[in-house]
Amino acid sequence: EVQLVESGGGLVQPGGSLRLSCAGSGFTFSDHWMHWVRQAPGKGLVWVSRISRDGSDTNYAGSVRGRFTISRDNAKNTLYLQMNSLTAEDTAVYYCARLRDGGSLDHWGQGVLVTVSS
Amino acid sequence: QSVLTQPPSVSAAPGQKVTISCSGSSSNIENNYVSWYQQLPGSAPKLLIFQNNKRPSGIPDRFSGSKSGTSATLSITGLQTGDEADYYCGTWDSSLSEGVFGGGTKLTVL
Repeated sequence: EVQLVESGGGLVQPGGSLRLSCAGSGFTFSDHWMHWVRQAPGKGLVWVSRISRDGSDTNYAGSVRGRFTISRDNAKNTLYLQMNSLTAEDTAVYYCARLRDGGSLDHWGQGVLVTVSS
Repeated sequence: QSVLTQPPSVSAAPGQKVTISCSGSSSNIENNYVSWYQQLPGSAPKLLIFQNNKRPSGIPDRFSGSKSGTSATLSITGLQTGDEADYYCGTWDSSLSEGVFGGGTKLTVL
């Protein structure tokens, strides 16, 4: 069974940093591009970032480019999102998701809440 | 403001059919596959439709997708109360080099 489990969320002050992790199991982690998607309270889904199978290719939403860094450790089957210079607008549930052929996100984690507040 | 445009809400009675539209542009929907996701209250999104009109295993054939030009449509027939959820379209935008989602449509089964 494919599982994605996020961790690392919590309360952080404006301007602070946080690193999210997403542990994958039940599939060959290195065979898949991986994505981060976030959802602010009561709002819709917003794409954040993606990373290629070997980590050599990455893309970011304009709102996080230069502040967030996506990475992966295929030996540990783990995806990361390093978030710096956080603002209140970054408050959201963050989901990691697996990309399948054809461009769809076929498995999602349960999500982890990040709250940016003083 | 989302790159893809969806109606904020739709509603219909049990057993009826509903359609949800998703409008984009040549840089996203027209030249990339569209996916649809269902998000039940308090849950993570779930893939409903991939590659415009294909269903993952376990998704009933009451759910179908289509695409024409810069628009896509999700259709749900034989509505059930359990279908009440938020529905999102998503694709890749080749100009932005970003993933994009619609703003979401809340389905109410009256």
